[in-house]
Amino acid sequence: SQTIHQWPATLVQPVGSPLSLECTVEGTSNPNLYWYRQAAGRGLQLLFYSVGIGQISSEVPQNLSASRPQDRQFILSSKKLLLSDSGFYLCAWSVMVEQYFGPGTRLTVT
Amino acid sequence: KQEVTQIPAALSVPEGENLVLNCSFTDSAIYNLQWFRQDPGKGLTSLLLIQSSQREQTSGRLNASLDKSSGRSTLYIAASQPGDSATYLCAVGNTDKLIFGTGTRLQVFP
Repeated sequence: SQTIHQWPATLVQPVGSPLSLECTVEGTSNPNLYWYRQAAGRGLQLLFYSVGIGQISSEVPQNLSASRPQDRQFILSSKKLLLSDSGFYLCAWSVMVEQYFGPGTRLTVT
Repeated sequence: KQEVTQIPAALSVPEGENLVLNCSFTDSAIYNLQWFRQDPGKGLTSLLLIQSSQREQTSGRLNASLDKSSGRSTLYIAASQPGDSATYLCAVGNTDKLIFGTGTRLQVFP
């Protein structure tokens, strides 16, 4: 069966510090991968998606970036965090149509 | 631009009631519609996926319908239980991407 992992589960970082969140998927090949952010009181916002290794599409302009170094690994990064980057970050995967989500990372920028 | 709206934003019902959650979308040219459940501080759990050619899907006490022409979907929960308490999100699929509504927060009290 397929499993999706995200780490860390929670993170508190000062403004201006770098960020690296990791997502890995097990039990499937060549999935589409997604990064979403859920800010307090707001819906899920698609940040990035990838249909293959090295292929990244950005949905919104921001100081975040994403990379897909391996088929089942998706990384969200920032060089310098802003207060507005705080939120709940969710990774998801799909092969056919249905999307499946990871447990999320709660990021607080102080 | 596709917009997804969910009404009501919050709902509190006694155990045993049948209830309906509503989702509307502005662009009827969708590929599919997916309903999710999110418990506080957790990731999303997929409940039902309706392809654009389908009119409804059922899983246990849950039934989701889709009317593309009117831009509406409903999630029907039969015989609600306290364990159904969560936020329910609908998402409209356009090719590889989902566009989410802001959710309905459901509380079922004993």
